[in-house]
Amino acid sequence: TQLLEQSPQFLSIQEGENLTVYCNSSSVFSSLQWYRQEPGEGPVLLVTVVTGGEVKKLKRLTFQFGDARKDSSLHITAAQTGDTGLYLCAGVGYNAGNMLTFGGGTRLMVKP
Amino acid sequence: EAGVVQSPRYKIIEKKQPVAFWCNPISGHNTLYWYRQNLGQGPELLIRYENEEAVDDSQLPKDRFSAERLKGVDSTLKIQPAELGDSAVYLCASSLEWTSGIYEQYFGPGTRLTVT
Repeated sequence: TQLLEQSPQFLSIQEGENLTVYCNSSSVFSSLQWYRQEPGEGPVLLVTVVTGGEVKKLKRLTFQFGDARKDSSLHITAAQTGDTGLYLCAGVGYNAGNMLTFGGGTRLMVKP
Repeated sequence: EAGVVQSPRYKIIEKKQPVAFWCNPISGHNTLYWYRQNLGQGPELLIRYENEEAVDDSQLPKDRFSAERLKGVDSTLKIQPAELGDSAVYLCASSLEWTSGIYEQYFGPGTRLTVT
């Protein structure tokens, strides 16, 4: 079983602050995805990283895939209240077809 | 383009009662997934369909859960009888056929089940 651990589990910050959340595993993934989920909704895909060491930017969000393809991070610059939500990482293992293994999530609250 | 549609959005039942959830995937998506998401946790896969065939149901509690995807489009997930521990959000997702390890799953809003 491939497990993904996310940290921190909860994060409460003030608007304008920067933050980083982490997604770690002992397993190697062929690709890794980040989702954001708002209350009462399903997860929405933010980004897919495929290459070890890859960095992708989505406005104020920066995603990095570890060189060894076992971990990933999400950095948010100047957080806004609209960034509030549950951030989930999900990995695709080798020979796993299109199976996603989700981490437990980081619940972010950005206060005005 | 319409997204993944699920109904009902909320369901409250007493334990030992049956319940069914319905999912309509995005048009053209041949892969359909049912996930269960417990409060404060990430989704866990219950079953995956490729067209009408269940290709992975290893995590589906088969003593009380069943699923079908007749005609390879809509799908239903049923629980009979429901237990208190089944309270969760049941998410449906769909995707195009997986190629080269890069694909996207599109999730519906989920059905929040409360078993009392």
